[in-house]
Amino acid sequence: QPVLTQSSSASASLGSSVKLTCTLSSGHSSYIIAWHQQQPGKAPRYLMKLEGSGSYNKGSGVPDRFSGSSSGADRYLTISNLQSEDEADYYCETWDSNTWVFGGGTKLTVL
Amino acid sequence: EVQLVQSGAEVKKPGESLKISCKGSGYSFTSYWIGWVRQMPGKGLEWMGIIYPGDSDTRYSPSFQGQVTISADKSISTAYLQWSSLKASDTAMYYCARQGYSYSGVGYWGQGTLVTVSS
Repeated sequence: QPVLTQSSSASASLGSSVKLTCTLSSGHSSYIIAWHQQQPGKAPRYLMKLEGSGSYNKGSGVPDRFSGSSSGADRYLTISNLQSEDEADYYCETWDSNTWVFGGGTKLTVL
Repeated sequence: EVQLVQSGAEVKKPGESLKISCKGSGYSFTSYWIGWVRQMPGKGLEWMGIIYPGDSDTRYSPSFQGQVTISADKSISTAYLQWSSLKASDTAMYYCARQGYSYSGVGYWGQGTLVTVSS
């Protein structure tokens, strides 16, 4: 079963860009993942599906500022022109043999 | 529009039983896996298990196997998570989630049900 590894925290300034990383464990580098956002006190929200090729499909209503990319076993979420409402926890997640696997989450602080 | 609407917050005592629900609408309830995710206070997301309402095929995370029961009633498009004997350590927010259309993992989330277990 895959393991997803994320940094516990990240920070960036208002109006700047940030790139969050999710790393798939050895032998699972081709897996498709999803990124989810959880703002403080709210339920998680699906942001996008991201393939190993770097192709991504965003959920309904997700701003253009959010994009995805991939390199090997790494899956990235880039947020451009950071807004205060982007301060949230971001989780990557994947699917394997009828199980869902979550990364530990990255807490993003907007300075 | 896909919607997952969960039942309201619960306050229970240790040893009591509980069943919380998640009603799906806006799609064919029997055609997509639906699952449960725990979030303990200040912690990350933990997958508990999933069910395919079409045939009731159910899978559990090893961490939750034997601790909870997941079921579904397709006649009312509702999935359930139940405990037979709650513990204080079951205090958490519980989210239901549904498989995506073009992605087999989570594509949709419910609003969450807060379960508090305290004597």
